[in-house]
Amino acid sequence: DTAVSQTPKYLVTQMGNDKSIKCEQNLGHDTMYWYKQDSKKFLKIMFSYNNKELIINETVPNRFSPKSPDKAHLNLHINSLELGDSAVYFCASSQATPPPTGELFFGEGSRLTVL
Amino acid sequence: GQNIDQPTEMTATEGAIVQINCTYQTSGFNGLFWYQQHAGEAPTFLSYNVLDGLEEKGRFSSFLSRSKGYSYLLLKELQMKDSASYLCAVRDRWQAGTALIFGKGTTLSVSS
Repeated sequence: DTAVSQTPKYLVTQMGNDKSIKCEQNLGHDTMYWYKQDSKKFLKIMFSYNNKELIINETVPNRFSPKSPDKAHLNLHINSLELGDSAVYFCASSQATPPPTGELFFGEGSRLTVL
Repeated sequence: GQNIDQPTEMTATEGAIVQINCTYQTSGFNGLFWYQQHAGEAPTFLSYNVLDGLEEKGRFSSFLSRSKGYSYLLLKELQMKDSASYLCAVRDRWQAGTALIFGKGTTLSVSS
């Protein structure tokens, strides 16, 4: 059973297009995240949601719009794609309430290539 | 601002011991994490420290000194499969939705 699953795994698209990435977790966690990993492997937080509520919205262009229909799902929609959006996007989840360590569990990543 | 530093690359040979250092300057502190990431795969959780000292888990150990803003990951009896990126991450507060802040990762190459 996959704990955090993302679709699609690969996306190749033209500049200016709109695309979506979906994420689902079956761990019963109440917090979900989107991270972007660039070509230099740096993982940067984009958004976090707790119980469907947006908590973190880093300085991300408003072409990126997350949506959490329920606490097990967090989707990412990107409008007007640009070359610089090419990256691997990781979804992750964690349990917000103590006592666990609160480590993040990552999905397999969605590799977006904008041509 | 938030800053997490770790060496970019390290090399070692099979059977050896390697120590990957991480220093951090963050606005607060509520735990330090180490993750392993093989090429083309997701990061996977290795260890967590919130109090000073050493946490041991099999061949891997992690150390924390909060007063120095310093941690290291120690890998013993290195195997080829340990070739990967090792990511140091800090949680700066305990609050629902708080994200981990990652360093840029250390790529470890293990040779025979």
